[in-house]
Amino acid sequence: ILNVEQSPQSLHVQEGDSTNFTCSFPSSNFYALHWYRWETAKSPEALFVMTLNGDEKKKGRISATLNTKEGYSYLYIKGSQPEDSATYLCARDSGAGSYQLTFGKGTKLSVIP
Amino acid sequence: IAGITQAPTSQILAAGRRMTLRCTQDMRHNAMYWYRQDLGLGLRLIHYSNTAGTTGKGEVPDGYSVSRANTDDFPLTLASAVPSQTSVYFCASSDKRYGYTFGSGTRLTVV
Repeated sequence: ILNVEQSPQSLHVQEGDSTNFTCSFPSSNFYALHWYRWETAKSPEALFVMTLNGDEKKKGRISATLNTKEGYSYLYIKGSQPEDSATYLCARDSGAGSYQLTFGKGTKLSVIP
Repeated sequence: IAGITQAPTSQILAAGRRMTLRCTQDMRHNAMYWYRQDLGLGLRLIHYSNTAGTTGKGEVPDGYSVSRANTDDFPLTLASAVPSQTSVYFCASSDKRYGYTFGSGTRLTVV
């Protein structure tokens, strides 16, 4: 994998359903993996920054896992609510002293009441 | 000011005109960035600055310039705007531990 890739591109779930999506990234020269939540007409907001293989982070009903050896991260939302509707971005930080992130194109989640 | 302030919020600009997008942060973050968001392409890095006095080129720097005279301000200049620079521009700053903080964006239309 050369770039940061996210799947699926979009999905619709019913309120109350749990869901998850994937971020794949180059496993070489890895420093950190970021997740952001981006609501329509707003700016992206940081959810998690993960650095260690096997890291698991949680914020309310949202959690994320990280596998740096195989180059993927999962974001889970338990019991989706309409307010969870947003685009979820992941981004890879290769370190290299420059703090630069390479973003995926996002997964757009729509939660149907 | 709380976080990052971008100005203007939106602008319609005639092709060939010069334009500076302003970005100011009050968090004393060393690193700052400019991204553009285009449909189907996601966020792409234009320029970055790791600390005051230094700048670097990102993925799509052509047609843009930046300066970082102090920690708080990171303006982005389009010397001679072209229609392909129509986009939404986001400024961000970084505390590596907690991720990026983004501004609210500038919607620029070049006609």
